[in-house]
Amino acid sequence: QKEVEQNSGPLSVPEGAIASLNCTYSDRGSQSFFWYRQYSGKSPELIMFIYSNGDKEDGRFTAQLNKASQYVSLLIRDSQPSDSATYLCAVSLIKAAGNKLTFGGGTRVLVKP
Amino acid sequence: GAVVSQHPSWVICKSGTSVKIECRSLDFQATTMFWYRQFPKQSLMLMATSNEGSKATYEQGVEKDKFLINHASLTLSTLTVTSAHPEDSSFYICSASVGTEQYFGPGTRLTVT
Repeated sequence: QKEVEQNSGPLSVPEGAIASLNCTYSDRGSQSFFWYRQYSGKSPELIMFIYSNGDKEDGRFTAQLNKASQYVSLLIRDSQPSDSATYLCAVSLIKAAGNKLTFGGGTRVLVKP
Repeated sequence: GAVVSQHPSWVICKSGTSVKIECRSLDFQATTMFWYRQFPKQSLMLMATSNEGSKATYEQGVEKDKFLINHASLTLSTLTVTSAHPEDSSFYICSASVGTEQYFGPGTRLTVT
């Protein structure tokens, strides 16, 4: 079993709709959770992080964390063609500076005009 | 803030030669930097954790004598791929820690012929 799992996609979403991305992790002791966006041929860009159960909103993005279910999700509202990218979920065992991240395989999102 | 640069952005070298990649934190000091490798259509694989003033910590399966890491200052870490072979061709990406978050450099695409 992989430590961090994501559906590889592609997740096809009409422009203006909500894209819902899911991530599960195996280590119940995980403390920090991150979502990165990676465009083809580019390096990852941090878009959200969450540490506590519940929802965290930042603009069109909402991260949701459920530690009991070992599940973290990312919602992208009003999806735009520029949101087409691979979204990487990353998890850390600790909430401290210099912590190591474990990445999922990524979900490819395609937003169609 | 939290800008990380890498140099070079791409490099082509002949088999058997060595290549050095630089990673710099431009507007902050990074006690910890990380080096990743990404093959096409795959997720990020952590190679090593680089701590300023101490030896790097390598992930299982990564040859420390082949991938030399030096974290000489709080703003610079280098990765040297020694005696490169075609199978070392990949996208090498560094990241630097700012608190609990990691910010990535733009990556270096290495092609070994």
